[in-house]
Amino acid sequence: RKEVEQDPGPFNVPEGATVAFNCTYSNSASQSFFWYRQDCRKEPKLLMSVYSSGNEDGRFTAQLNRASQYISLLIRDSKLSDSATYLCVVFGGATNKLIFGTGTLLAVQP
Amino acid sequence: EAQVTQNPRYLITVTGKKLTVTCSQNMNHEYMSWYRQDPGLGLRQIYYSMNVEVTDKGDVPEGYKVSRKEKRNFPLILESPSPNQTSLYFCASSLTGMNTGELFFGEGSRLTVL
Repeated sequence: RKEVEQDPGPFNVPEGATVAFNCTYSNSASQSFFWYRQDCRKEPKLLMSVYSSGNEDGRFTAQLNRASQYISLLIRDSKLSDSATYLCVVFGGATNKLIFGTGTLLAVQP
Repeated sequence: EAQVTQNPRYLITVTGKKLTVTCSQNMNHEYMSWYRQDPGLGLRQIYYSMNVEVTDKGDVPEGYKVSRKEKRNFPLILESPSPNQTSLYFCASSLTGMNTGELFFGEGSRLTVL
C-alpha cells in the first residue's frame, strides 16, 4: 500500500463548479500535511498547509481528518487557471520525510 | 529574484556517459534536495542535504551522487547513466528542512538516457 494515495483523476469540471479532492495516508504518526500545485511540465509549488482545525485561503479550503487518516482540498468557484495537478504531501511518521502523492489532475472547462 | 536554478533543463545522453545536473539557490537556504518524478510514481527523493558537507540518501539514491561544498550549490552526478534514470529531475531547497513543508523547486531537468 502506498504511503500517500490520491485519485489520479482527471476531474473535469465546468467553470464555477465546486470540486473536492481527498488524499489518504497510511502512517498514523504523520505530523504535517500540505497541498502542492503543479502545472503541466512545471515545478510543484506549495499551495497551502493543512491544519488540524481546517483552514481556508480564498476559494481553497483544506481539512484534516486524523481519525480516518485523510486530508481534503475543496476548491469553490473553479477558474480555468485552477487547471493543474494537485499533490498531497505528508511529513513525518516512520521516515520523518516528506512523502508526495502522485497527484490529482483537475481540468476546468469553459 | 529568489529562485532555484537547475541546468541543463533538457538533456539527451547515452548509457555510461557521466553527467552532472547543477542546482543553485540564492535564498541562503540550509536544506537542499533532489527528486525524480516519474508517471504513476510521483516525486521520489534521491538525496538531501541539511547543510554544507552534510548529505544523506533519500529513497532512491542508487546510481546517483551529490556534493554540498557550498551552501548555495547542490549538484547531482550520474557517474554511469542508464536508461532507467530517464526521468524529470527537480532540485528543491528550504530554509530549515522538510518539516515546514515549504520547498522551493527548480524548474526541472528532463533527462533522457538512450
